[in-house]
Amino acid sequence: DSGVTQTPKHLITATGQRVTLRCSPRSGDLSVYWYQQSLDQGLQFLIQYYNGEERAKGNILERFSAQQFPDLHSELNLSSLELGDSALYFCASSVADGAGKDEQFFGPGTRLTVL
Amino acid sequence: GDSVTQMEGPVTLSEEAFLTINCTYTATGYPSLFWYVQYPGEGLQLLLKATKADDKGSNKGFEATYRKETTSFHLEKGSVQVSDSAVYFCALRRRGDKVIFGPGTSLSVIP
Repeated sequence: DSGVTQTPKHLITATGQRVTLRCSPRSGDLSVYWYQQSLDQGLQFLIQYYNGEERAKGNILERFSAQQFPDLHSELNLSSLELGDSALYFCASSVADGAGKDEQFFGPGTRLTVL
Repeated sequence: GDSVTQMEGPVTLSEEAFLTINCTYTATGYPSLFWYVQYPGEGLQLLLKATKADDKGSNKGFEATYRKETTSFHLEKGSVQVSDSAVYFCALRRRGDKVIFGPGTSLSVIP
């Protein structure tokens, strides 16, 4: 158990809908990272938040957004869902802002299925 | 840009066989290198890491050595077990940057 929790574990929804994925980092970790794992794209970095502020952005679509709250949990919002958004979404956390070589700890993931 | 290449899977081995999963990378500077493992139905777990050239990472019988001259970080284990069946991801991270993953190599170990 990495100490990173993600809810829900599974999510099934329809095209055009909006969903919110939630992540709670390990106690004491200030950074949260979101990744998408799909069959055709592999594991891709989406976005990082550090202590409430956006720190780095990867291949995140404009239909997707995220935020980190004062209690350091994070939410990833996916809107206008398409079939191709079906994937496993991972959250990871680390102690610092990523500038050092600190380790990222991954949550179990949320499996999103868009029908 | 930075990238990681892994050997194509799936790899199927008999229990107690020797395992090698090849990984090569392209990156500027001196990235840290990682192997992550994903067991069926679970998230990613850090298996081992190396932060500079010639470092050897090791954990649970797995080893990998950071070879800057060949830009490689091959994963090895002397005797695999059924419980090692999983997907293995090689990854790199430059200081202050995101983690870049390879495509993953699926390993099945049969009794």
